[in-house]
Amino acid sequence: DTGVSQDPRHKITKRGQNVTFRCDPISEHNRLYWYRQTLGQGPEFLTYFQNEAQLEKSRLLSDRFSAERPKGSFSTLEIQRTEQGDSAMYLCASVETGELFFGEGSRLTVL
Amino acid sequence: EDQVTQSPEALRLQEGESSSLNCSYTVSGLRGLFWYRQDPGKGPEFLFTLYSAGEEKEKERLKATLTKKESFLHITAPKPEDSATYLCAAGGQNFVFGPGTRLSVLP
Repeated sequence: DTGVSQDPRHKITKRGQNVTFRCDPISEHNRLYWYRQTLGQGPEFLTYFQNEAQLEKSRLLSDRFSAERPKGSFSTLEIQRTEQGDSAMYLCASVETGELFFGEGSRLTVL
Repeated sequence: EDQVTQSPEALRLQEGESSSLNCSYTVSGLRGLFWYRQDPGKGPEFLFTLYSAGEEKEKERLKATLTKKESFLHITAPKPEDSATYLCAAGGQNFVFGPGTRLSVLP
């Protein structure tokens, strides 16, 4: 499979715990994006990387959120001290020159 | 501020009943208008990219068109398997998504 893969697909956690999501983009794609999607809404931009450099962060990305893309390959999105409002689908997408290609997402439920 | 809106929010069609979905955008430096299909619990699946006003793209029962302010996704003789949420996104400095149109096609 040469598409974008995300892990885990589902995560249930208790409020206050830390969670980390991983994204493996399409191998030749140098730009990688993270989006958050809640029920009935479109994806909301969180952050993106050009190779290993994080070039833009949304104001939605509070200081509890951190993203990395070491060596310009896979990326991780960590949420510290989770809150119930963090419950959402976290989508990763990669692009070379045109359209975004998405993974299947990581669904987070914070109890 | 870049903004994308979609209408209607939800659409229910009978099988074979053609219709159109609207995407309106305000984006500085538009580099492309993208349409995606999203099934429940899945990531968005790419459908079309449109780059300039007047451009059209077709795929099976779907046709996407673009003007300077709007894009339309025309669905001709839809089938139940076309039921999904259809998202549009404007690519400028970033990719800005609309809220989507939930399409239900009844047999």
